[in-house]
Amino acid sequence: GDSVTQMEGPVTLSEEAFLTINCTYTATGYPSLFWYVQYPGEGLQLLLKATKADDKGSNKGFEATYRKETTSFHLEKGSVQVSDSAVYFCALSEGYGGSQGNLIFGKGTKLSVKP
Amino acid sequence: DTGVSQDPRHKITKRGQNVTFRCDPISEHNRLYWYRQTLGQGPEFLTYFQNEAQLEKSRLLSDRFSAERPKGSFSTLEIQRTEQGDSAMYLCASSPPWTGAQETQYFGPGTRLLVL
Repeated sequence: GDSVTQMEGPVTLSEEAFLTINCTYTATGYPSLFWYVQYPGEGLQLLLKATKADDKGSNKGFEATYRKETTSFHLEKGSVQVSDSAVYFCALSEGYGGSQGNLIFGKGTKLSVKP
Repeated sequence: DTGVSQDPRHKITKRGQNVTFRCDPISEHNRLYWYRQTLGQGPEFLTYFQNEAQLEKSRLLSDRFSAERPKGSFSTLEIQRTEQGDSAMYLCASSPPWTGAQETQYFGPGTRLLVL
């Protein structure tokens, strides 16, 4: 079945460092891809998404490009801040060819940014 | 605040008891989802409603679990005869009507269940 694999955490960075969190997926159809973020004590929030190959999602300085050839959707940010400390989840949802329903999530990557 | 709301936020119960959680989606969102998240894991899909119709159920949803959305607005998730393995965060999400493109799911804060 469909699945999402993301890099194990925790990831600890200093402020202003470059961030990459790897995400790869397995899907039979044409999935949409998402990054959700969960700040401490808060619910899941959509960070960015991409609905087709070569699309780039971006928000709050974060970017991810939908790479069909490598089945990847890596999250990047050029300069992290302490306020970016959170758990980041990569997820997919089947598009036209599959269910209109559920998201399939990776296990999450905890990011801690030190001042 | 017009986001997804869930009640209660926390629930502690004894093994064997029944519990019920409520989710109020964003108004005009006709699709509603339930997920379960255990510690250190990503959310796992449980079930999905479009209006009042339950269209999809995960194999994770055992016979002890039942979900309803009687009027196509709020939804309830009931767990009967709770087990310690049911301890988790139960998340609700909603999304607007299907337009042919994948719509964003908006999540509530979750209900954290602890079964003693």
